[in-house]
Amino acid sequence: QVQLQESGPGLVKPSETLSLTCTVSGGSVSSGSYYWSWIRQPPGKGLEWIGYIYYSGSTNYNPSLKSRVTISVDTSKNQFSLKLSSVTAADTAVYYCARDVRCPWCVQGTYYYYYMDVWGKGTTVTVSS
Amino acid sequence: AIWMTQSPSLLSASTGDRVTISCRMSQGISSYLAWYQQKPGKAPELLIYAASTLQSGVPSRFSGSGSGTDFTLTISCLQSEDFATYYCQQYYSFPRTFGQGTKVEIK
Repeated sequence: QVQLQESGPGLVKPSETLSLTCTVSGGSVSSGSYYWSWIRQPPGKGLEWIGYIYYSGSTNYNPSLKSRVTISVDTSKNQFSLKLSSVTAADTAVYYCARDVRCPWCVQGTYYYYYMDVWGKGTTVTVSS
Repeated sequence: AIWMTQSPSLLSASTGDRVTISCRMSQGISSYLAWYQQKPGKAPELLIYAASTLQSGVPSRFSGSGSGTDFTLTISCLQSEDFATYYCQQYYSFPRTFGQGTKVEIK
């Protein structure tokens, strides 16, 4: 059974770069059946999708964060990572990684749709000097 | 981006009640909608995908319906462990977006 675990610094200074890693166990990031997402949740607020990556390195980012976000994958370590640059207090949140699985019958032509089925427990990142 | 209006934002109910949560899209998304449950301090957990398909292991008292722009999550007989916050999420287009959440609290 696949498990995801986020890791990284819990405190980041304003204007610096937030870096997090998600380690996948019980499954492989190299599987062509999945995408791998990052999502965040500010304290007391709702969920915001940050972006996702395929094992090949193909990515899709939320336009609201695109200029500051980089998601990468390391198949040798079975991990994928998030970098968010020029952080401010507004980036303080719990950050989650998740697996995106193909919906078998959610298809239009040759395009399949994916939904997030397994999430990590989340890691809290505070932006403060 | 597709905007999602989830209602109500707060729902007070008692154990055994039937509760319904609504999620309305700013444009049609076919059936590409998921529902998640989140308890305090925990990660969201998938309940339903493709608008009405129950995720493996999820109790059958949860059900989902709808297509296009209007969707509903129903809990047929509320149990104590169901008091939580529920989110809808569309995966029809990018960026993926979530509803604002519905907190189900004990009346």
